[in-house]
Parts: sequence; structure tokens; C-alpha cells
Amino acid sequence: AQSVTQLDSQVPVFEEAPVELRCNYSSSVSVYLFWYVQYPNQGLQLLLKYLSGSTLVKGINGFEAEFNKSQTSFHLRKPSVHISDTAEYFCAVNAGGTSYGKLTFGQGTILTVHP
Amino acid sequence: GAGVSQTPSNKVTEKGKYVELRCDPISGHTALYWYRQSLGQGPEFLIYFQGTGAADDSGLPNDRFFAVRPEGSVSTLKIQRTERGDSAVYLCASSLQGTRSDTQYFGPGTRLTVL
Repeated sequence: AQSVTQLDSQVPVFEEAPVELRCNYSSSVSVYLFWYVQYPNQGLQLLLKYLSGSTLVKGINGFEAEFNKSQTSFHLRKPSVHISDTAEYFCAVNAGGTSYGKLTFGQGTILTVHP
Repeated sequence: GAGVSQTPSNKVTEKGKYVELRCDPISGHTALYWYRQSLGQGPEFLIYFQGTGAADDSGLPNDRFFAVRPEGSVSTLKIQRTERGDSAVYLCASSLQGTRSDTQYFGPGTRLTVL
């Protein structure tokens, strides 16, 4: 069975600083990986996804993530954050097989950007 | 266009009562998913539909939970004999084809509180 671990429950950072949100997954099969963001009082919104090909994936709002198969990681990065990036971020994996449509989510990381 | 909508946005009920939660997917999306998000946790998969049929219901916690999608569009999640532990935000998502690579589009959720 697959699992996703987000290593930091909360990440505080100052505006315009870089940020990295860490995600590790456990799966014995080929995976598709996703990052979602949840702004206060809003639904989950896709930031980016890795399906195959280039291990560096670019998403919306200046975010990018790098798939590292040997380390089973999919860390999310942004070189310069804004106040508006304050939200909760979720890493998710789809490992297919009998659970074809199922996403398995991590516990979430709350990113707080301070002025 | 319109996104995924869920009704009601909030539902308060008493232990032992029956509740129904409704999801209206994006028009034309063939796949529909239900997740449950407890406080401080990531979404947890419950069930997903491909058309009218449940393709994977492995996440339903017990037989008190049941979901239908009779016409391949709107879905209803039904919970019998509610328990306090059922309190959570219930999320619905839809995707165009239900493939592993599909983006799942989430609704704002229904917050269920069982007193």
C-alpha cells in the first residue's frame, strides 16, 4: 500500500524568502505525484503534477517540484514567496493498480508567510 | 464554468441520525470521488465512481456509509446511524475521464458535525 509523509506540519517564512515543502512517498509501483493547495475557506486546487518525463515540474503561481525516484521524494519549492501563498499544501500519490482513481494524501503542511 | 458544488456546506446532526450529502460534479466529468478530511489530516479516500458504477469503494469505513450516482452525474453520500467519529469535512471531486493522470477538481466540502 502507498503512503505519503509530509515532513513538516508547519513552515513559517518571511515574504520574498525561498521555501521548500518536503514530501516523501512509499510505493512499490510506478506513481503519479501531485501537489494541491488549500486556501482558507476554499477547496483544494491543483498546483502541479508529475506523470513521467522531466523530473522537474513547473506549476502555477511560480511553484515547482522535483521528482527523485531514488529518494522517493517530491519536494515543492518556490524561490520567493508572497503573503498570498499562505495556505495549506498537500502532497498526494496515485499508485494505480486496483485503486485506479484513488489519491493518497499526506497530512498537509501549513505555510505561513510573514511580512 | 461552474466548478464542483456540494450541499449543504454545513450539517449538524445528532448521534444516531441519518444524513445525506450531495455533490454536483463539473458538467461532462465521468469520474466522481468522495474523500473525508478530519481535523489536522489530509483527505482520506472513500469511494470513486466511473459513470454510474462504483469503481472502487475500498475506503468506505463500514456499512453505515453508502454512496450512489444513479444517472452518472450528481452523487449522494449517505451515512446511517451517525456517530461522533463521523464528524469531518466531506470532500467531493470530479475528473474528466477517471484516468490516473487526470486532475481531480475538488468542491468546497460539507462540514458534518455529529453531536
